[in-house]
Amino acid sequence: DIQIAQSPSSVSASVGDRVTMTCRASQGLSNWLAWYQQKPGKAPKLLLHYTSTLHTGVPSRFSGSGSGSTFTLTINSLQPEDFATYYCQQSNSFPLTFGGGTKVDIK
Amino acid sequence: EGQLLESGGGLVQPGGSLRLSCTASGFRFSTYAINWVRQAPGKGLEWVSEISGSSAEIYYPDSVKGRFTISRDNSKNTVYLEITRLRAEDTATYYCVRQVLRVFDIWGQGTMVIVSP
Repeated sequence: DIQIAQSPSSVSASVGDRVTMTCRASQGLSNWLAWYQQKPGKAPKLLLHYTSTLHTGVPSRFSGSGSGSTFTLTINSLQPEDFATYYCQQSNSFPLTFGGGTKVDIK
Repeated sequence: EGQLLESGGGLVQPGGSLRLSCTASGFRFSTYAINWVRQAPGKGLEWVSEISGSSAEIYYPDSVKGRFTISRDNSKNTVYLEITRLRAEDTATYYCVRQVLRVFDIWGQGTMVIVSP
């Protein structure tokens, strides 16, 4: 099974900040890495897939990068609606697995 | 854009069984794989099953294999998840999720399962 270590587990930031989070997989993912945003009490929403492809309607301040087994989500100019928990997920092989999440809260 | 609506959650005693349903609308249901992902209270996301559009391919993680059964009825635009021998650690919100190109693009609102005496 592919394990994913997501860091940091939480980050405090202010509106306008740039926030970065990382997922490190136990083996290469051939870029099959997606990112989701989840707000309290709500279902997750797809942000990016295949490492860096923005999902329809997702603002361009979100970007993804990486290769091999290390991937990064960057939020440029954090907005009030971006305070949430973010998860990465690999779909390179079964079982599909998620990172443990990064909670972005208000400093 | 399509929608998924889960139902069937509730309070169940340990050792009991439950069948969750997920009804789709707004897209050509039979051409998409559907997955179930669960989230224990205050915890992260865990993938628990996938079924292809034709039901020809079905996958589970080892953690639920033998207790979880996924199926679908394309004539009713519905996917089912049957869970047997329920345990306290099965307590979670269960999300039905559409998959396209290996990506979970549409999520239902979730149905809560509580396993308790």
